[in-house]
Amino acid sequence: RKEVEQDPGPFNVPEGATVAFNCTYSNSASQSFFWYRQDCRKEPKLLMSVYSSGNEDGRFTAQLNRASQYISLLIRDSKLSDSATYLCVVIGSSGNTPLVFGKGTRLSVIA
Amino acid sequence: NAGVTQTPKFRVLKTGQSMTLLCAQDMNHEYMYWYRQDPGMGLRLIHYSVGEGTTAKGEVPDGYNVSRLKKQNFLLGLESAAPSQTSVYFCASSLSGTGYEQYFGPGTRLTVT
Repeated sequence: RKEVEQDPGPFNVPEGATVAFNCTYSNSASQSFFWYRQDCRKEPKLLMSVYSSGNEDGRFTAQLNRASQYISLLIRDSKLSDSATYLCVVIGSSGNTPLVFGKGTRLSVIA
Repeated sequence: NAGVTQTPKFRVLKTGQSMTLLCAQDMNHEYMYWYRQDPGMGLRLIHYSVGEGTTAKGEVPDGYNVSRLKKQNFLLGLESAAPSQTSVYFCASSLSGTGYEQYFGPGTRLTVT
């Protein structure tokens, strides 16, 4: 099983829609989880950390399911500006991978 | 604060040539990282450093060397470039270890012909 797996998409959704991405991870001992956002031809930037109890930041909600080893990102009321690639990040399972990035899920919000 | 800067932004090399990519951060971060990003492969860690004078191998270290002589700088060297090293290279830094946000530089687009 790959360390971090994401559906690559693309997810094409209309403005105002709700969209959810899932990410599965293999290291059951992982303690830190994040969602990063990467715009086309730009560097990744932290969107939000994912806490055990789940957390919300405006239109974005992140959840963690330790039993099934997945994290999710929910975006409500999608905006055109949400179009980007969303990267799931977890602590790696070996010493030479401090953080493991998923390959990303591409989202296109359409007017 | 400039954050994380990378030079150069673009470079074209011929096979066998060498070059050094420079990463600099002004946030007094302890940890620094070099990643490469290829289409369909995501970000892969090349080398990283947990403090001045230290370096460690990441997931794909072969063909690269690094040095961290000063806390604010992390250099990535390619001794003999190969077409397989054509990629976008990102440097990042974090205040401390794995639980902290990583701040990325704008990237270096390298083509090896």
